[in-house]
Formats: sequence, C-alpha cells, structure tokens
Amino acid sequence: DGGITQSPKYLFRKEGQNVTLSCEQNLNHDAMYWYRQDPGQGLRLIYYSQIVNDFQKGDIAEGYSVSREKKESFPLTVTSAQKNPTAFYLCASSSDRASPYYNEQFFGPGTRLTVL
Amino acid sequence: SQQGEEDPQALSIQEGENATMNCSYKTSINNLQWYRQNSGRGLVHLILIRSNEREKHSGRLRVTLDTSKKSSSLLITASRAADTASYFCATGGGKETSGSRLTFGEGTQLTVNP
Repeated sequence: DGGITQSPKYLFRKEGQNVTLSCEQNLNHDAMYWYRQDPGQGLRLIYYSQIVNDFQKGDIAEGYSVSREKKESFPLTVTSAQKNPTAFYLCASSSDRASPYYNEQFFGPGTRLTVL
Repeated sequence: SQQGEEDPQALSIQEGENATMNCSYKTSINNLQWYRQNSGRGLVHLILIRSNEREKHSGRLRVTLDTSKKSSSLLITASRAADTASYFCATGGGKETSGSRLTFGEGTQLTVNP
C-alpha cells in the first residue's frame, strides 16, 4: 500500500522532555510537511522540506526541529522549548513541480501529543 | 498566519439537502484546494481549482472560484450522513507563498443529520 504513516498514534510526554514524532512516506514524493492542529482550529505549518537535506521554517517553528536525511522520512522533534506542545500533529507530502497537481498534499493519520 | 477564512464555522443540515461552504483569502494564489477531515483523522484531498478556472465538479462536489473577490465556495449536493466532517480550504502558489506550501483556513464543521 502506498501512503504516509505516522507513529505513534498517541504520545504522552512529561514537561521538559524532548519527543520525536515519526513520518514516513512511500509515495516517492519530494516535499514533506509538518502541521499542528489545535482543537476546533485549522492547520498551522511548522516546517516543510522540498528536497532531501533541506528544510524551511513554517509559521510556528519555534520549539520544534526537523531533519530530512532520506526522501522517505521527515521526523519532527518537539523540544522542551515549545511552551504549549499538546496538540494533534499531522504530516503530509506532495509530488514535485513536474506534476500539474504538484502541491496536492497527502496526509498521514496524525499523532496526538499530550504533555502531562 | 491563516490566509483563508471560512464561513460558516459550523453548518447543520438534513440528509438530502445541499451544503454550501465559503472561503475567502487575502493574497494572490495559483490554486485553491478543498480538504475533508473526519474527527481525529488526517485530511483527505477533495478537489483543486486553478486560478484561471471558475468552476469545477467532482461527483457531488462543485467548487467555484472568484479571484476578483478572492473567494471560493464548496457545494455538496444531496448530502449524506457520511459527509459529516470538517472541511478546509487551502491556498497555494501565490507570490507570497514559497514553493509547494499551502495555507489552510480555519474550517467548516458540517453535520448531516439522518
């Protein structure tokens, strides 16, 4: 099956701990994205990467870090510097510019992070 | 920042009725997309309309785009209980948008009552 997987589905963290959320895709997509969604709200972009070994900050990057060492993987680390990390985190990917629908995004199932 | 604003925030209708959701945006765009999200799940792409298109259809979905008013609407005809979900518009590819990133609106929560 082609798609995007995120793990874990639920994650609990103590204050002061860093945690890493996994995102893997086997769609051969160049671009990958991380969003944060708070209850009843829309999606806010944390980081995105359009090519391996390169990534850009989104609108709310403070307190988060990412890496893009492989095309298939784009892990997100929520650091202790993130003041209010409890949220639903969504990963997405999209094809490259050669496609006429190059920025239709495909989403993973999400990870719900709760800080205790 | 959120570029899209959706209206209404919540909509409740009976099965068989039509549902219309609106989206307004602020900057120039290359395309506008609509996504659906079931509670606690990831988003699913529904339809994309390019800035040079005015209307697009896909099954029971009809999307319009008015670039002069910077607005779009999503019409779901003959709604079903299974259409209950949140619907988001997302804009992409404008002058102020880098690469393939999208900017999402706040969403409309649609409830279709059996």
